[in-house]
Amino acid sequence: SQTIHQWPATLVQPVGSPLSLECTVEGTSNPNLYWYRQAAGRGLQLLFYSVGIGQISSEVPQNLSASRPQDRQFILSSKKLLLSDSGFYLCAWSLSNTGELFFGEGSRLTVL
Amino acid sequence: ILNVEQSPQSLHVQEGDSTNFTCSFPSSNFYALHWYRWETAKSPEALFVMTLNGDEKKKGRISATLNTKEGYSYLYIKGSQPEDSATYLCAFKKGYSTLTFGKGTMLLVSP
Repeated sequence: SQTIHQWPATLVQPVGSPLSLECTVEGTSNPNLYWYRQAAGRGLQLLFYSVGIGQISSEVPQNLSASRPQDRQFILSSKKLLLSDSGFYLCAWSLSNTGELFFGEGSRLTVL
Repeated sequence: ILNVEQSPQSLHVQEGDSTNFTCSFPSSNFYALHWYRWETAKSPEALFVMTLNGDEKKKGRISATLNTKEGYSYLYIKGSQPEDSATYLCAFKKGYSTLTFGKGTMLLVSP
């Protein structure tokens, strides 16, 4: 069966520090991978998605970046965090464009 | 920018009550409509993926309908139970775009 894991679960970082959130999927090949963020009082916002290794599409311009160094690994990064980067980050995968999303456990980021 | 509206924003019902929520989306170039349940301290889980106008899907006490021509979907819960307490999200896909999520309806079912 397929599983998805993301870490760390909780992160408290000072403004200006770097960020790395990691997500891995097991039990499937060539999944579509996604990073979502839920900021306070807002819906889930798609940040990045990837349909293959090295292929990243950005939905929202910001100081975050994503990389997919391996088929089942998706990394969300920032060189310098802003206060507005605080939120709950979810990694997800799907097998097709219309298929359901399978979400990771989430990572809560607080930037102070 | 695609607008996916969900109503009500929150709902508090008693155990045994039946309830329903609405998801409104642009009716042009429809591709798919998803419903997810997001329980506290867990990940969102898919309830339904609907692609055809007139689709009706059912899972236990939960069912959903889809009207792509007028741009809405209803989610029904029959005989709500405390374990149904969660935020219910709908997400809309237009053409070749990615999913756009609504803000969700937060349901609290009291025993």
